[in-house]
Amino acid sequence: EFVLTQSPGTLSLSPGERAALSCRASQNVSSDSLAWYQQRPDQAPRLLIHGASSRASGIPDRFSGSGSGTDFTLTISRLEPEDFAVYYCQHHGNSLFTFGQGTKLEFK
Amino acid sequence: DVQLVQSGPEVKKPGESLKISCKGSGYSFGRYWIGWVRQKPGKGLEWMGIIYPGDSDGRYSPSFQGQVTIAADKSISTAYLQWSSLKASDTAMYYCARRSYGSGDPCFEIWGQGTMVTVSS
Repeated sequence: EFVLTQSPGTLSLSPGERAALSCRASQNVSSDSLAWYQQRPDQAPRLLIHGASSRASGIPDRFSGSGSGTDFTLTISRLEPEDFAVYYCQHHGNSLFTFGQGTKLEFK
Repeated sequence: DVQLVQSGPEVKKPGESLKISCKGSGYSFGRYWIGWVRQKPGKGLEWMGIIYPGDSDGRYSPSFQGQVTIAADKSISTAYLQWSSLKASDTAMYYCARRSYGSGDPCFEIWGQGTMVTVSS
């Protein structure tokens, strides 16, 4: 069974700091198939990154994605108050979509 | 503007049937796959399945195969998620989302606002 594992489960940081969120796949995947989403409380998810490193339309450049193979990272260079939310990675393969379990980014 | 608008919240009893909807606007509805995602209270996102409204070709997550039915009517730009017999464990927020165009770089670009389904006796 294909699994995406995100770490840490919770990340406690302050505005202005840098955040690095990890997503590890249980097997090698194509970078084309890896995306990241942000979900703020009581809102629908929002696409941030697709193809592992391409920012979606309207996403600030403080968000960046990187990685290949089994290890992928979402980096937020300087946290703004509105960035404190839950982040999910997602993979598509063999006609199936899989989400990671999420990383909660909270105020320290 | 491209958007997906979902039907309103539902409160149902166990064993009842339900169909919720997702109406697309601002784009050619039949040309983009529409997926459904479940989110139980306080939990993460679970992909349920996806449908191509152009020909109603569908795919299901193994976890949801046989538990729900996904359908679409391209003439009215609407996708549906339906249950024949609800369980309390179906209580969740359900999102529809439009998949990116084409075969490369698959992701969900546009999301509906969500439909909350509560199943309780």
